[in-house]
Amino acid sequence: NAGVTQTPKFQVLKTGQSMTLQCAQDMNHEYMSWYRQDPGMGLRLIHYSVGAGITDQGEVPNGYNVSRSTTEDFPLRLLSAAPSQTSVYFCASSPDRDLRKLFFGSGTQLSVL
Amino acid sequence: GQNIDQPTEMTATEGAIVQINCTYQTSGFNGLFWYQQHAGEAPTFLSYNVLDGLEEKGRFSSFLSRSKGYSYLLLKELQMKDSASYLCAVRFMFSGGYNKLIFGAGTRLAVHP
Repeated sequence: NAGVTQTPKFQVLKTGQSMTLQCAQDMNHEYMSWYRQDPGMGLRLIHYSVGAGITDQGEVPNGYNVSRSTTEDFPLRLLSAAPSQTSVYFCASSPDRDLRKLFFGSGTQLSVL
Repeated sequence: GQNIDQPTEMTATEGAIVQINCTYQTSGFNGLFWYQQHAGEAPTFLSYNVLDGLEEKGRFSSFLSRSKGYSYLLLKELQMKDSASYLCAVRFMFSGGYNKLIFGAGTRLAVHP
């Protein structure tokens, strides 16, 4: 039972490069979300999705794009990386929109130089 | 906004009891959660309160007062493995009927022998 799988675990980018952080869950969860975690600021919601084809913005969406073409996958795209996007990124899923329990992936540590 | 406040750091002694407080703005409140996060790892679910009162789960208990916008996490019989960050998260319902889970910055607890 894999749960929530994030790839890659570590990534270094140069300013202006683009990349996609992958997130997949095998629990048939309806809800998926992306958070970033910075020292002293806790987890901040970037984007979330309540089902295939439905996405919405969180607290800090600028600079990030998402799509949800399948129930299983919820990739996060950085179109033009900036040093301010250096952070640890967590993908999380929940069985329903009540969010009674979030299941987190192991995280991606991203550095933008 | 949905300001969520909790102390930055706390220390306690092995075997003791510690209470971690969390205050939040009540507008749109729809449930409160506590998560535990060990250094370098993903957060894991601890507890959920939606009604006023105390929820007990083994050594951990969580209390909620909706009218005061206040919650606490109580950890009893502290063990060294309880050294971690404890994240208070509030579920808010936004227009469109979707829930969002907003996290506080976390309280870093250090348990000493």
